[in-house]
Amino acid sequence: DAKTTQPNSMESNEEEPVHLPCNHSTISGTDYIHWYRQLPSQGPEYVIHGLTSNVNNRMASLAIAEDRKSSTLILHRATLRDAAVYYCIPYNNNDMRFGAGTRLTVKP
Amino acid sequence: DTGVSQNPRHKITKRGQNVTFRCDPISEHNRLYWYRQTLGQGPEFLTYFQNEAQLEKSRLLSDRFSAERPKGSFSTLEIQRTEQGDSAMYLCASSRTGGASYEQYFGPGTRLTVT
Repeated sequence: DAKTTQPNSMESNEEEPVHLPCNHSTISGTDYIHWYRQLPSQGPEYVIHGLTSNVNNRMASLAIAEDRKSSTLILHRATLRDAAVYYCIPYNNNDMRFGAGTRLTVKP
Repeated sequence: DTGVSQNPRHKITKRGQNVTFRCDPISEHNRLYWYRQTLGQGPEFLTYFQNEAQLEKSRLLSDRFSAERPKGSFSTLEIQRTEQGDSAMYLCASSRTGGASYEQYFGPGTRLTVT
């Protein structure tokens, strides 16, 4: 299973962009890179996923390095509701293995 | 799409008692997953079903734990002879089918407290 490294915590100001990094140097060729977030007292929420190309959706953008050993989740304009723990997960087919994630604090 | 629901949301039980949790996935989803999450940690995979078949179980799933998905719809997770170490949030998730190109949708969880 691929191991991930994420910062324990990050801070952002409201309405500013946030770049959340993730290293997954042991990722296999068939692993998709999934990002989930978990708000306090809630179950995890899907954010975005990709394989090789950069991806955009209404929540965020995902930039994947060319060698796929790292990725960055981009929140274009952070809001207070984006304060959560963000998990980066290389995922193939079965069990999804969460690490400790990055706790994002958004300051007004 | 009504989302994944879990019942009960909270359960307090005494050590040694049995408890059962229920998960109702999104209706057209074939895959159903169970996770456990303790305070300050990320969710840990327990087991998953493809329709009614239980295809994988984590080593975390001791013989006191059993999960079923009898008709390929809702699922139950039973813990027998609960221990204080079982205190955690139990999360259920579902996905349209297998394969890493599909995202998982999580329920709100059942918080178990064993006294």
